[in-house]
Amino acid sequence: DADVTQTPRNRITKTGKRIMLECSQTKGHDRMYWYRQDPGLGLRLIYYSFDVKDINKGEISDGYSVSRQAQAKFSLSLESAIPNQTALYFCATSGPGQRETQYFGPGTRLLVL
Amino acid sequence: KQEVTQIPAALSVPEGENLVLNCSFTDSAIYNLQWFRQDPGKGLTSLLLIQSSQREQTSGRLNASLDKSSGRSTLYIAASQPGDSATYLCASISSGSARQLTFGSGTQLTVLP
Repeated sequence: DADVTQTPRNRITKTGKRIMLECSQTKGHDRMYWYRQDPGLGLRLIYYSFDVKDINKGEISDGYSVSRQAQAKFSLSLESAIPNQTALYFCATSGPGQRETQYFGPGTRLLVL
Repeated sequence: KQEVTQIPAALSVPEGENLVLNCSFTDSAIYNLQWFRQDPGKGLTSLLLIQSSQREQTSGRLNASLDKSSGRSTLYIAASQPGDSATYLCASISSGSARQLTFGSGTQLTVLP
C-alpha cells in the first residue's frame, strides 16, 4: 500500500462549487503539505501543517482552506472553485530523522469548468 | 524570496550518453536540496537529498552535487537509458522551521533508444 494516498485522483467540477481533496499517510509523519502544480511553473506551496493544532499558509493560500483532522489526515478545500484553480494537486509528508525528505502522494488532477 | 531555476527546460539525448542537469538557487541559506523524478501523470519520486553540509550524494547511476556558495546543484546521470525519460525537479529546503520546499520548473528529459 502507498504511504501517501490522495482522493479523488481526478475531479471535474463547475465554477462556484465547493470541493474537498483528501490526503492520508501511514508514515507517522507530523508534517504535511499541500502543493499545486501548473505547467511550466513547478510546484507551489498552498498550506502546511506541523501537527493537528498547527496550520500555516504557504505561497498561494488565497481561495483555499485546509483541515488537519488527525495526524494522518490533511484535507484541502476550495470553497468556491474558479477555473484558474485547474491544476494538479499534491499532498506530501515529512518527518525528522530522515533529513526532512518529503514524500509525495500520486496527485489529484482537478478541472474547474 | 527563494527562486530556483532549472536549465535546460528540455533535453533529448541518445541512449548511453552521460548527461548533466543544472539547478540554481538565489538564497544560499538552504537546509537541504532535493532532486525528484516525475513521470507523466504521476507523483514525485525522491531521487537524492543533499544536506547543506554535504558536497554530493550518489545513488546508482545518479550523482548530485551541491555548491551552496555559488547557489548551484547538478544532477549527473551516467549511461542514460530510455527508462530515465521523465521530468527532473530540484527543490531547495528552507532553513526555517517550516522546512519549505521551493521547486524549479523542471527539466524534461527524453532518452532515445
